[in-house]
Amino acid sequence: DAKTTQPTSMDCAEGRAANLPCNHSTISGNEYVYWYRQIHSQGPQYIIHGLKNNETNEMASLIITEDRKSSTLILPHATLRDTAVYYCIVRVHQAGTALIFGKGTTLSVSS
Amino acid sequence: DSGVTQTPKHLITATGQRVTLRCSPRSGDLSVYWYQQSLDQGLQFLIQYYNGEERAKGNILERFSAQQFPDLHSELNLSSLELGDSALYFCASSPRAGSFTLHFGNGTRLTVT
Repeated sequence: DAKTTQPTSMDCAEGRAANLPCNHSTISGNEYVYWYRQIHSQGPQYIIHGLKNNETNEMASLIITEDRKSSTLILPHATLRDTAVYYCIVRVHQAGTALIFGKGTTLSVSS
Repeated sequence: DSGVTQTPKHLITATGQRVTLRCSPRSGDLSVYWYQQSLDQGLQFLIQYYNGEERAKGNILERFSAQQFPDLHSELNLSSLELGDSALYFCASSPRAGSFTLHFGNGTRLTVT
């Protein structure tokens, strides 16, 4: 599976957009990009996923570069409750496999 | 609320003991995953079951075992407990075996003294 690289930590002001980058330069054609977040000691929460096209839902937007070697998760208007560890994971949709979480990016949103 | 229920929320036990953690998946989900999260190891995948059958295995110790019952709830059994087994144990569920839109429970915090 493709390895991902994320910054260890990021800061964001409340109300501003938070742009979290993820590098996955060895991604293969059938691997999806997933984003999860974990608020302190709670269970991880699914945010969004995509294959090639940009995706948007009520939580966030996912921008995947044309060569698919990197992606950006965008939280359009960050709030204090968005402070969490954000995980970028690359995975094929295949039975018999599981999501493997790395260290993620700790996003701190401040007022 | 993810719809995934884990019990108990907290568990304190002594070294050498055996405990059972329970997980009820979201209604309609057939696949259950178990993860361990300790301070120094991050989130580690342990094992996955789909409709009662083991489908994927991660870094699960031989002292640990799991099963999924006909009503789809799952149990994680931890035996001969060591201090290093102290961690948060999360259960997640999804509709299918190859689906990674997982819904996680709030975890069981295990403390081994």
